[in-house]
Amino acid sequence: GESVGLHLPTLSVQEGDNSIINCAYSNSASDYFIWYKQESGKGPQFIIDIRSNMDKRQGQRVTVLLNKTVKHLSLQIAATQPGDSAVYFCAERRRFTEYGNKLVFGAGTILRVKS
Amino acid sequence: KAGVTQTPRYLIKTRGQQVTLSCSPISGHRSVSWYQQTPGQGLQFLFEYFSETQRNKGNFPGRFSGRQFSNSRSEMNVSTLELGDSALYLCASSLVGGGNTIYFGEGSWLTVV
Repeated sequence: GESVGLHLPTLSVQEGDNSIINCAYSNSASDYFIWYKQESGKGPQFIIDIRSNMDKRQGQRVTVLLNKTVKHLSLQIAATQPGDSAVYFCAERRRFTEYGNKLVFGAGTILRVKS
Repeated sequence: KAGVTQTPRYLIKTRGQQVTLSCSPISGHRSVSWYQQTPGQGLQFLFEYFSETQRNKGNFPGRFSGRQFSNSRSEMNVSTLELGDSALYLCASSLVGGGNTIYFGEGSWLTVV
C-alpha cells in the first residue's frame, strides 16, 4: 500500500522542550499538506496545513515547514506538553479532478513527552 | 458546531457477514471520504463522494462500497467480511474544492472474528 505503518519511529522529548517531527512525501504534484495528531482510540485531529505555494506556516505553538526541493515536511511543536503525546501523521493531497482528491498518509511518528 | 459523526463506534462481525457504517459530515461539508486504518498498512484511502457520486476510489476490492445521500450523509458497506477487514474505518469531510481542510471523525472500530 501507499502508507505502511509497521514500525513507527518514536521521538521522546522532555516536557518544555521543542519537538521536530519530519516527513518525506513522494509526489511532487501534491499541492496541499496536512499534519494530524491521533491519540489512542481516537480519529486523526487536524493540527495545521500548508499549501504548496508556501514554505512556512505558523499556528499556536506549531509551525509547519515545507521544502519542495527535497519533498520534505516538518512539524515543530514549541514547549512540548504531556498532552502532545500522540501519533503524528503527515498527509499529502493528490488532486484528480476539480472535486476529486485523496490524502496519502505517512507512516506516522510516535511522540512521547517525558515529565 | 458538531464534528464528523460516525456510527457505530464499535462492532464485532463474523467472517462472511456484511457491515454498514454510517457517517454524518460537518454541517455544510459536501465532500465525504473514507479511510481504513490498520497497524500493518496505516491509513489507506477507500473512496470519496461528492453530490452523491463517487469521485475517487482507492485500491480495495469490490467488496468495499459506499454511497452518499442528498443530505451529504454517507454510508460504506463491506460484504463477505474477511479477518483482514478488521480495522478502524474513518470518515472525513470537507468543503468542496481544493485546499479545504479535511476533518476526521472518531472512526468505527470493526472486528471480524
